[in-house]
Amino acid sequence: GESVGLHLPTLSVQEGDNSIINCAYSNSASDYFIWYKQESGKGPQFIIDIRSNMDKRQGQRVTVLLNKTVKHLSLQIAATQPGDSAVYFCAELNQAGTALIFGKGTTLSVSS
Amino acid sequence: EPEVTQTPSHQVTQMGQEVILRCVPISNHLYFYWYRQILGQKVEFLVSFYNNEISEKSEIFDDQFSVERPDGSNFTLKIRSTKLEDSAMYFCASKGQTISNQPQHFGDGTRLSIL
Repeated sequence: GESVGLHLPTLSVQEGDNSIINCAYSNSASDYFIWYKQESGKGPQFIIDIRSNMDKRQGQRVTVLLNKTVKHLSLQIAATQPGDSAVYFCAELNQAGTALIFGKGTTLSVSS
Repeated sequence: EPEVTQTPSHQVTQMGQEVILRCVPISNHLYFYWYRQILGQKVEFLVSFYNNEISEKSEIFDDQFSVERPDGSNFTLKIRSTKLEDSAMYFCASKGQTISNQPQHFGDGTRLSIL
């Protein structure tokens, strides 16, 4: 079946460090992936997306890398700030293109 | 920036009662979704809706659940006879006008507590 998972449930970093959050997916036919940030009491907030015809996409302080060979997705956050503290989810669009399948989430804690 | 809005933010209901969760998607969006998140767990897909009909539904979305777009702005999720295990955060999401890959935008959810 389709499933999306994350390698680590928690990640603690110091302010100013770079953070890397990883995700493994199982459906090799998936062609669209999204990273969401969820703060306490809020809904998932779109960060960045990537299509399967790309290996890398950059946004403001964030980069998503896609390795289709090993079915691995990562989110890199540069110069992590306390405001980046949240739960981060990767999500995969299902084969029908009708639903997102979420991973379990990584809690990022940034200390100053 | 346009956003998805959900009401109420918290709903407390007795087991067996009906509940309706309300959402106002982003105004020019055509694809609508409901997801739920049990405390501390991942977000789970419930149902997608397009052109006034369900596109897909998950195993969670059984006969107790229904969705409706009663007018041009609201999108509702109804649970007919709530169970304790329906307690969760319910998120509405919407997506833009084309079928091509675009991110879904989420509201801040309704916390449903079944007593």
